[in-house]
Amino acid sequence: DTGVSQDPRHKITKRGQNVTFRCDPISEHNRLYWYRQTLGQGPEFLTYFQNEAQLEKSRLLSDRFSAERPKGSFSTLEIQRTEQGDSAMYLCASILGTGGKKETQYFGPGTRLLVL
Amino acid sequence: GESVGLHLPTLSVQEGDNSIINCAYSNSASDYFIWYKQESGKGPQFIIDIRSNMDKRQGQRVTVLLNKTVKHLSLQIAATQPGDSAVYFCAEKGGGGNKLTFGTGTQLKVEL
Repeated sequence: DTGVSQDPRHKITKRGQNVTFRCDPISEHNRLYWYRQTLGQGPEFLTYFQNEAQLEKSRLLSDRFSAERPKGSFSTLEIQRTEQGDSAMYLCASILGTGGKKETQYFGPGTRLLVL
Repeated sequence: GESVGLHLPTLSVQEGDNSIINCAYSNSASDYFIWYKQESGKGPQFIIDIRSNMDKRQGQRVTVLLNKTVKHLSLQIAATQPGDSAVYFCAEKGGGGNKLTFGTGTQLKVEL
């Protein structure tokens, strides 16, 4: 257990529905990352936050995706009007800061999404 | 070899043997590299990291080698155990960015 938690662990939804995932990073970590992982592939970067500010978004993050970190602690990732291609594992990671060991990204267990 | 979709490169080793997992990275400006282990249904687990100003780093039973000339990274696992069976990913962090870019994973299978 890395100390990063994600909820729910599994989500099955029908195409067109909205879903929201939550990530709770390690408490003193100020940076939080979201990644998406499809079967047989490595995680792909979606977006990251420094405290409450969203500093970078991948081109993978279409306008149906939105992420927030309102108080600089937990984060939510919402997918609107889900499509079957959204089926994947959504991973959250956090780091303490920059430089040296503080840069190590610790991952949560992920939320596995299946869109029917 | 190359992997497409579900077909991960696979390394099969006998328990007790040493394992070497290789990775080619893409960005010559990357300054930080990490190896992760991922078991089925779980998130990636940190194994060992190395900065670009080093060419070797050792941990407990694991060694990472970095060859910047050919942009190659390797993970050596000594005395491989059944619990080492998992998919292993290398990841790189670019010089000015903060996100990790992951390579194609390698499935390590430890045979008893």
